[in-house]
Amino acid sequence: EAQVTQNPRYLITVTGKKLTVTCSQNMNHEYMSWYRQDPGLGLRQIYYSMNVEVTDKGDVPEGYKVSRKEKRNFPLILESPSPNQTSLYFCASSGQRLAKPGELFFGEGSRLTVL
Amino acid sequence: SQQGEEDPQALSIQEGENATMNCSYKTSINNLQWYRQNSGRGLVHLILIRSNEREKHSGRLRVTLDTSKKSSSLLITASRAADTASYFCATDPRMDSSYKLIFGSGTRLLVRP
Repeated sequence: EAQVTQNPRYLITVTGKKLTVTCSQNMNHEYMSWYRQDPGLGLRQIYYSMNVEVTDKGDVPEGYKVSRKEKRNFPLILESPSPNQTSLYFCASSGQRLAKPGELFFGEGSRLTVL
Repeated sequence: SQQGEEDPQALSIQEGENATMNCSYKTSINNLQWYRQNSGRGLVHLILIRSNEREKHSGRLRVTLDTSKKSSSLLITASRAADTASYFCATDPRMDSSYKLIFGSGTRLLVRP
């Protein structure tokens, strides 16, 4: 089954404790992206990757890091989480071969609470 | 920055009625997409309409695009309780060199049985 898998789905952590949210897709997609969703603000892009070893900032990259060492995986790293990073996070991928992404396939989301 | 803005923010209708949601955006686009999100779940792609298209259908969904007004509408006909969800438009800005979709804040649709 084609899917984007995120882990963990739920996490409560404390300020400053490094954490990683993993994302894996089994569709051989080149494009992957991370979004955060907050009430009243919609979805905002954090980082995206066009292919292995190619990453770029989205609209709200501060406080986050990503890596793309393998095509299927795109982990989101919070080196020193803060309460304003409490949010619902989504990983998405697209197999669009042209420059611009087409249909996005989303994971089920990771709800992160930073105390 | 948010490109798409949906209207209304919330919509409540009776099962069997049609639901219309609108999306306005600010800059020229390559395409516009609509997504659905059940509460707390991942978004699911519904339909993509390109900038040179004016109307597209998929099952009970009908999407229109007016590039002169920078707006799109999503019509769900003969709604069902299972259509209850949030609906988002997402635009692919033509002049943006980065590769991203910009999402609006969504319309929450409630279909009453």
